[in-house]
Amino acid sequence: QKEVEQDPGPLSVPEGAIVSLNCTYSNSAFQYFMWYRQYSRKGPELLMYTYSSGNKEDGRFTAQVDKSSKYISLFIRDSQPSDSATYLCAIDNFNKFYFGSGTKLNVKP
Amino acid sequence: GAVVSQHPSWVICKSGTSVKIECRSLDFQATTMFWYRQFPKQSLMLMATSNEGSKATYEQGVEKDKFLINHASLTLSTLTVTSAHPEDSSFYICSARLQGGQPQHFGDGTRLSIL
Repeated sequence: QKEVEQDPGPLSVPEGAIVSLNCTYSNSAFQYFMWYRQYSRKGPELLMYTYSSGNKEDGRFTAQVDKSSKYISLFIRDSQPSDSATYLCAIDNFNKFYFGSGTKLNVKP
Repeated sequence: GAVVSQHPSWVICKSGTSVKIECRSLDFQATTMFWYRQFPKQSLMLMATSNEGSKATYEQGVEKDKFLINHASLTLSTLTVTSAHPEDSSFYICSARLQGGQPQHFGDGTRLSIL
């Protein structure tokens, strides 16, 4: 079983839609969770960084961690064409990092 | 804040040459830097982890003599692909982290093409 599982998509939505991106993980001891956005031929850009359970909001983005289900989510409200990218979830287990395979999102104008 | 600069962004060179890629943390001191390789439409593959002043720790299957990593200061790490061949062509990305428990911040990557 992989440490982190992520649906590769692609996910296509109309502009203005609410997007839900999800990952599951295997180890209940994991505590640090991140979401990155990666545009084509660019490095990943940190969007959200959360510790333990709960929600964290930053503008149109909300990160949610459900430790009981070992499930992490990223919600994007009022999605824009500029949000079209690949989104990677990541877990930091101190000096060991686990990345999801990435979900490709396409927001259609 | 937390800007990581990677240079060059794109390099094309002949088979057999060596190529050096630089990774700099511009506004923070990075205790740890990481080097990744990414194939088209695939996720990041960790190649090695380096701590300032120490030898890099390479992932299984990554040739140490092929991919030389130097982390001479808290703001600079370099990856040298020695005697590069076409199969080394890929997208290489570095990242840096201030300390444990902090997220990684990535550079914009280097596209390496070996002819």
